[in-house]
Amino acid sequence: KQEVTQIPAALSVPEGENLVLNCSFTDSAIYNLQWFRQDPGKGLTSLLLIQSSQREQTSGRLNASLDKSSGRSTLYIAASQPGDSATYLCAGKLTFGTGTRLTIIP
Amino acid sequence: DTGVSQDPRHKITKRGQNVTFRCDPISEHNRLYWYRQTLGQGPEFLTYFQNEAQLEKSRLLSDRFSAERPKGSFSTLEIQRTEQGDSAMYLCASSSLAGVNEQFFGPGTRLTVL
Repeated sequence: KQEVTQIPAALSVPEGENLVLNCSFTDSAIYNLQWFRQDPGKGLTSLLLIQSSQREQTSGRLNASLDKSSGRSTLYIAASQPGDSATYLCAGKLTFGTGTRLTIIP
Repeated sequence: DTGVSQDPRHKITKRGQNVTFRCDPISEHNRLYWYRQTLGQGPEFLTYFQNEAQLEKSRLLSDRFSAERPKGSFSTLEIQRTEQGDSAMYLCASSSLAGVNEQFFGPGTRLTVL
């Protein structure tokens, strides 16, 4: 059974800083890994999807990496902005982590 | 393409009543998923369809829960004899097998059972 862990549960950083969010999974036989953001009371917005054959994906200020051998993925956010404040979730094989609640301090 | 839509957005019901939610996926998406999310938690998988076939069901989907996708387009999720523990956000997502199976989510239906 796939288990997905995200640490830390919450993170606060000043505006402009670069930051890394972590995601660990137990079953390396994942087809792909997807990162989402969720604003309070809203649905999930897809940010990036990394296929199992890939090592990383980039979109704008976001970069996600995948290391299947260690069961880890990271989401790197460059030059953080207050609008990046949200909960970030990773998911693989229909299993989600509990998310990291990110607050960017102006 | 208007994205995934869900109806209603909010539902308040009394314990013991039946409720039904609807999800309209992105056009041409073969797969449709239902999840449940409670406060402070990530979404929990309930079930998914490929076209009209229900391929997988979570143990979370008790006998009181049933989902259908009769024509391989929209889907309904029904909860019978609701309990207070059913209060949650019910999320629907869809994806296409033709691509990388990226899931796109709807806005969710928030259920409150009094």
